[in-house]
Amino acid sequence: AQSVTQLGSHVSVSEGALVLLRCNYSSSVPPYLFWYVQYPNQGLQLLLKYTTGATLVKGINGFEAEFKKSETSFHLTKPSAHMSDAAEYFCAVSLTTDSWGKLQFGAGTQVVVTP
Amino acid sequence: GAGVSQSPSNKVTEKGKDVELRCDPISGHTALYWYRQSLGQGLEFLIYFQGNSAPDKSGLPSDRFSAERTGGSVSTLTIQRTQQEDSAVYLCASLRDPGGEQYFGPGTRLTVT
Repeated sequence: AQSVTQLGSHVSVSEGALVLLRCNYSSSVPPYLFWYVQYPNQGLQLLLKYTTGATLVKGINGFEAEFKKSETSFHLTKPSAHMSDAAEYFCAVSLTTDSWGKLQFGAGTQVVVTP
Repeated sequence: GAGVSQSPSNKVTEKGKDVELRCDPISGHTALYWYRQSLGQGLEFLIYFQGNSAPDKSGLPSDRFSAERTGGSVSTLTIQRTQQEDSAVYLCASLRDPGGEQYFGPGTRLTVT
């Protein structure tokens, strides 16, 4: 069985400040890990993914995430928040190549950016 | 079209009625997924199609839910005898190959009154 936990359903960050969104997973096998962003009334957009190889993954819009197997974590960061980063962010896992698209999502973190 | 499209964008229906939700995936994408996004349950996987067959229907919440895909393209999710707990946003996604990016549509917001 696998599960995904996102710490904090709401995060408020000042413009220009560090964005840190936490994601922990439980899985009996090495997972594939994803971060998605959802803007209001839109579908989900892939920010970045980890499959194998380098544990620090860079994505779009200046976001990056680090896979830490020992901590079963895949936290998302961005050094400097922009107003346009206000959205909901979802961490997700899938287990195997065969079920690559079958994602289990965390509950989501709503990010508010204040001027 | 360039992306995954879904129709209708909004649907309001009375309890007990049947509804059909449509998904047009990106051309050439062989895999298609349906998810449901609701306040109480978050984002949940419903069903997966590879071509026209559905090897994984494990997420369908009851036998009132069914889905089909024809011509390896368009998919329809049908909910019979709708209940208020079916109110949610139904998202469709398509994928070309394992390891690639899964593209999501904008969703259909279903409200059962």
